Parts: sequence; C-alpha cells; structure tokens
Amino acid sequence: AQRVTQPEKLLSVFKGAPVELKCNYSYSGSPELFWYVQYSRQRLQLLLRHISRESIKGFTADLNKGETSFHLKKPFAQEEDSAMYYCALSESSYKLIFGSGTRLLVRP
Amino acid sequence: DGGITQSPKYLFRKEGQNVTLSCEQNLNHDAMYWYRQDPGQGLRLIYYSQIVNDFQKGDIAEGYSVSREKKESFPLTVTSAQKNPTAFYLCASIDWSRSNGYTFGSGTRLTVV
Repeated sequence: AQRVTQPEKLLSVFKGAPVELKCNYSYSGSPELFWYVQYSRQRLQLLLRHISRESIKGFTADLNKGETSFHLKKPFAQEEDSAMYYCALSESSYKLIFGSGTRLLVRP
Repeated sequence: DGGITQSPKYLFRKEGQNVTLSCEQNLNHDAMYWYRQDPGQGLRLIYYSQIVNDFQKGDIAEGYSVSREKKESFPLTVTSAQKNPTAFYLCASIDWSRSNGYTFGSGTRLTVV
C-alpha cells in the first residue's frame, strides 16, 4: 500500500543552522512527490514538487528512488521557516497521500 | 480572486445530528477532495471527486457522504454514524494539468458537543 512516513514530529534548530526534514515513501509505481507547508494561521500551501526541481525559499528536495526518500533541506534556517511541513505523494488516480507532518521550530 | 471557500469556519454538532460542510471553488478545477486533519496523524483522505456526478471513497469514508452535482461545489456531510467526528476538515482541488499543485481551503473545525 502507498504510504508516506515522516519520522520526526518536531524538529528544533537554531537560526542559521542547516535543516533536513525527512520523508520516506512506499509506492510501486512512479510517484509524484510534494512538500506542503502550513504557517501559523495560514492555509496549507505547496512548497515544492519533485518534477520541477526548483528551490523555493531556499528549500530543496531530491527524489532518491533507491532509498525511496524525498527529504527537504535548507542550508541556513530562518525564524520565518517555523511551520508545519507535510510530505505528500500523488498517485495516478490523483489521490494525494500525506505524511503525518513535521513541525519545524527555528529558534533565534 | 480565485480560490476555495469553506464554510462555516467553526461548527458545533450535537450527538446524533448530521451536519454538512460546504466547499466551493471558482478555479475551474476538475478534481476536489476532502481531508480530515487530526493532531499527530497528518491529513487523511475522506472522499474525492474527479468529475461532476462521480466520487470515490478515500481511506476513512465511513460515516461521511458527499455529492458533486456541480463542478464548483463538493459538500461533505458528517453523519451520526461517524464515531469520532471532532476534527479539522480541509477541502482541496486541482486541475488536470496539476501544474500548480493542489489548492486548499482554510478549513472547518467541527466539534461535537
């Protein structure tokens, strides 16, 4: 069965430190993977998707099919990055399957 | 200003009552979705609809029902059969090209009193 795993419920780092939010998936086909972010009092919004291979707000994520991972990384965390981050997998039927989320807290 | 509108923002329900959550989009998106968000469990798919007059069960459809009579609207009814309805409910939509990802509403918080 398709599954997205985010092993960390909370990740706390200091401002300027590197950040890596982990995401592993299980899917038999060719998945499309996303990272969504929910800032305090705001709607869930798309951060980035693996097929675009772009960097948004300094974040990048590389799809590693061998390790079935799609970890989100940023070299220098900012306080405004504090939010809830969800990794998600989209299958061919257009269903979007979410992980349980990781709360990132960037301390000054 | 295009987007998804969910109403009401807060909803209180008595035991044994059915309630309907509204989701309207003016993005001309084809597919619409309902998710339930619980602390520590992420978002779980309740129902989704890829075209008008068609919908499929998600992972936790028991106790819920939907309709898709118009492209713009995808209301969710939480029935009395849902054992633990207190949660935050999110509606989302996407177009077929998926070029911009899924668009989410601001959510409805349902509380059973």
